[in-house]
Amino acid sequence: AQSVTQPDIHITVSEGASLELRCNYSYGATPYLFWYVQSPGQGLQLLLKYFSGDTLVQGIKGFEAEFKRSQSSFNLRKPSVHWSDAAEYFCAVGAAGAQKLVFGQGTRLTINP
Amino acid sequence: GAGVSQSPRYKVAKRGQDVALRCDPISGHVSLFWYQQALGQGPEFLTYFQNEAQLDKSGLPSDRFFAERPEGSVSTLKIQRTQQEDSAVYLCASSFGQHPYEQYFGPGTRLTVT
Repeated sequence: AQSVTQPDIHITVSEGASLELRCNYSYGATPYLFWYVQSPGQGLQLLLKYFSGDTLVQGIKGFEAEFKRSQSSFNLRKPSVHWSDAAEYFCAVGAAGAQKLVFGQGTRLTINP
Repeated sequence: GAGVSQSPRYKVAKRGQDVALRCDPISGHVSLFWYQQALGQGPEFLTYFQNEAQLDKSGLPSDRFFAERPEGSVSTLKIQRTQQEDSAVYLCASSFGQHPYEQYFGPGTRLTVT
């Protein structure tokens, strides 16, 4: 069965600094990979997705992620964070034929002014 | 509306009461999903519908949980005889049939069982 690990429970960065959130997955075949963001009291908003093709994917709000098969990773990056990026970030994997998404535990991002 | 809507947004139930949570998916989305998100955790899959057919209910934690989507649009998640461990946020998501993994989530219903 597929699984997702987000090693960092909480990360704090300064506004304007770069960001990388880690995600590792476990799945035998090529997975479908996603990053979602959740602000307090809100549902999940899709940031970006990877199905196939180019391993560097661009998303909304200036985020990007890179799929590395050899490392079973799909890390999320942003070159310069804004205070409005403070939220909970979830990595998720989907398996062909199973329809459902399996989520990691999430990483809470705090932005220092 | 443009997005997935859920009601109520907050629900407090005494232990043993039955509750019903409603989800209105995006118009035209054939697939509908329910997830449970405990405090400090990622969402966990409960069940999945394609139109009115419930194709996967492997994530429902007990037979006290029941979901339906009788006309292939609005869905209701019912929890009977609620227990404290049922306290969580219940998220609904919908997607086009051709792209089931690109799921759009509602704001969730926060259920607190006292």
